[in-house]
Amino acid sequence: DIQMTQSPSSLSASVGDRVTITCRASQGIRNDLGWYQQKPGKAPKRLIYAASSLQSGVPSRFSGSGFGTEFTLTISSLQPEDFATYYCLQHNSHSLTFGQGTKVEI
Amino acid sequence: QVQLQESGPGLVKPSETLSLTCIVSGGSIWGSYWSWIRQPAGKGLEWIGRIYSSGTTNYNPSLKSRVTMSVDMSKSQFSLRLTSVTVADTAVYYCARGGLGGPPDPWGQGILVTVSS
Repeated sequence: DIQMTQSPSSLSASVGDRVTITCRASQGIRNDLGWYQQKPGKAPKRLIYAASSLQSGVPSRFSGSGFGTEFTLTISSLQPEDFATYYCLQHNSHSLTFGQGTKVEI
Repeated sequence: QVQLQESGPGLVKPSETLSLTCIVSGGSIWGSYWSWIRQPAGKGLEWIGRIYSSGTTNYNPSLKSRVTMSVDMSKSQFSLRLTSVTVADTAVYYCARGGLGGPPDPWGQGILVTVSS
């Protein structure tokens, strides 16, 4: 199985801050990675696919980068509605795996 | 646009079988992969498996011995069966489109399944 190590598990930030979340794959996954945002009681919402492609309708302050084993989700200027939990997901192998999640708190 | 809706019992007894269905509307079930994902309360997401419209499946190795997925093209729905459930299977279960060629999207709203006697 491909393991996804996501860090940090939580972070505290303020409105306007630049936030970076990292996912590391246990083996190369090309760019077969997506990022999701989840708010309490809601289904996850896809933000990024193919490691760096922005989902339609998602604000441009969200961006993704990386290839192979190292991936990053960046929020350039944190907004009040961005406080949520974020997950990465690899879909390179026959068994998909999520990162452990990063809770972004005020 | 495609919408998904999970349905099934919200309470299952230990050792019994959990059965859920996902109804697809707003688009065809043909020609896509469809995934099941779950999330225990306060914990992270776990991918359970996926099924192609032809019936081809891939399962999470940790659940493979207990999972069966099926698809019913005529009803535009796909299903999950998880046998021999325990309290550890208590979770919100989501269905979603995709899981091959791209991360799943969109997702259903989720259904809480509690395993308890």
